[in-house]
Amino acid sequence: DAGITQSPRHKVTETGTPVTLRCHQTENHRYMYWYRQDPGHGLRLIHYSYGVKDTDKGEVSDGYSVSRSKTEDFLLTLESATSSQTSVYFCAISLNRVETQYFGPGTRLLVL
Amino acid sequence: DQQVKQNSPSLSVQEGRISILNCDYTNSMFDYFLWYKKYPAEGPTFLISISSIKDKNEDGRFTVFLNKSAKHLSLHIVPSQPGDSAVYFCAASGRSSMEYGNKLVFGAGTILRVKS
Repeated sequence: DAGITQSPRHKVTETGTPVTLRCHQTENHRYMYWYRQDPGHGLRLIHYSYGVKDTDKGEVSDGYSVSRSKTEDFLLTLESATSSQTSVYFCAISLNRVETQYFGPGTRLLVL
Repeated sequence: DQQVKQNSPSLSVQEGRISILNCDYTNSMFDYFLWYKKYPAEGPTFLISISSIKDKNEDGRFTVFLNKSAKHLSLHIVPSQPGDSAVYFCAASGRSSMEYGNKLVFGAGTILRVKS
């Protein structure tokens, strides 16, 4: 299994509060991704990173920001959480642009 | 507008029989396809993939077939086992495309139940 951890694994927060999710990898993979999984939608890409300080938007990036200051860590921030951001969030990594993506265990977020 | 569609939300199969999971796509830029398997409370795990230059790829009990003209792929599991019960996601990317190269577009998933 790829060495990917996500923290926290579960979080309950209130509308309007900031939330940061962390993805940590021990594989030294260049690419890292954040997805959200919702019923009926599968997984949708939020943001991705192709190197330290290099990030780009995905399909559903509104309301989210990311940062990558080290190869091993990719942070996803909800500046002001909304109920529509209640979801399961998955981090993924890939060695390079076209290699297979491997997923972390997920973070279940509930915004009340 | 879903570019990758898994039209069967669920499938129930008897142990030992064949499971066939289907996936359709609409974007001609997609040239690489993957299947992921997901158990509850875990992340998706990579199962098998196929490039558009092939029409079949096999790995043990799992075979993926690609029909480019129909923009359709299927995953065959033979024989099905109770441990195969999970959600299966089809995903597509366009490796030769600058826009899609590293981005996976997922279907909504199919829940497979293998009955013993």
